[in-house]
Amino acid sequence: QQPVQSPQAVILREGEDAVINCSSSKALYSVHWYRQKHGEAPVFLMILLKGGEQKGHDKISASFNEKKQQSSLYLTASQLSYSGTYFCGTESLNDYKLSFGAGTTVTVRA
Amino acid sequence: DAGITQSPRYKITETGRQVTLMCHQTWSHSYMFWYRQDLGHGLRLIYYSAAADITDKGEVPDGYVVSRSKTENFPLTLESATRSQTSVYFCASLAPGTGDGYTFGSGTRLTVV
Repeated sequence: QQPVQSPQAVILREGEDAVINCSSSKALYSVHWYRQKHGEAPVFLMILLKGGEQKGHDKISASFNEKKQQSSLYLTASQLSYSGTYFCGTESLNDYKLSFGAGTTVTVRA
Repeated sequence: DAGITQSPRYKITETGRQVTLMCHQTWSHSYMFWYRQDLGHGLRLIYYSAAADITDKGEVPDGYVVSRSKTENFPLTLESATRSQTSVYFCASLAPGTGDGYTFGSGTRLTVV
């Protein structure tokens, strides 16, 4: 079963912050985050393993709440280059198979 | 060039025809995956492979066949294409235990008419 992402879309001005949530009905082993630009392939951003680890990648960071089976992606001081569709991918069984959410489209305007 | 390549980039085929989408990676990653991407559904797993000669079904395998005789190649065949298989298909590879995620190919946009 695919995880649920929210919101579906968000519009930001440069410098603003945003949070994207990913929620699963299953216990999770790991959560991946990817960004996809229009007409391109998804690109890996980060992976979070169970244990509540928070990771960062430039001004993009993420957290993973194993008990709540949720992950959040934080876009801080957004830049134009952050525009795209963000997908979470969840892994339940340590088998490297990911179920992806429907995506959150982020538009950053000058 | 190193990486993961898919071919063709675009394909138009007729209903009922067999079509094969190719995926080749140069890293010797053990895991490979096929996903389809449709509006509103995100990415859905069709088939995956843990190693050469080991393949298994994903979420939406019906109408598709895969093989993996060599580590670097993972072709996806639509046995008798239907309009519902019109989609963008992405191949991905993974080196387990490295802390890295999937690396996706550029995708194949398939239209079944």
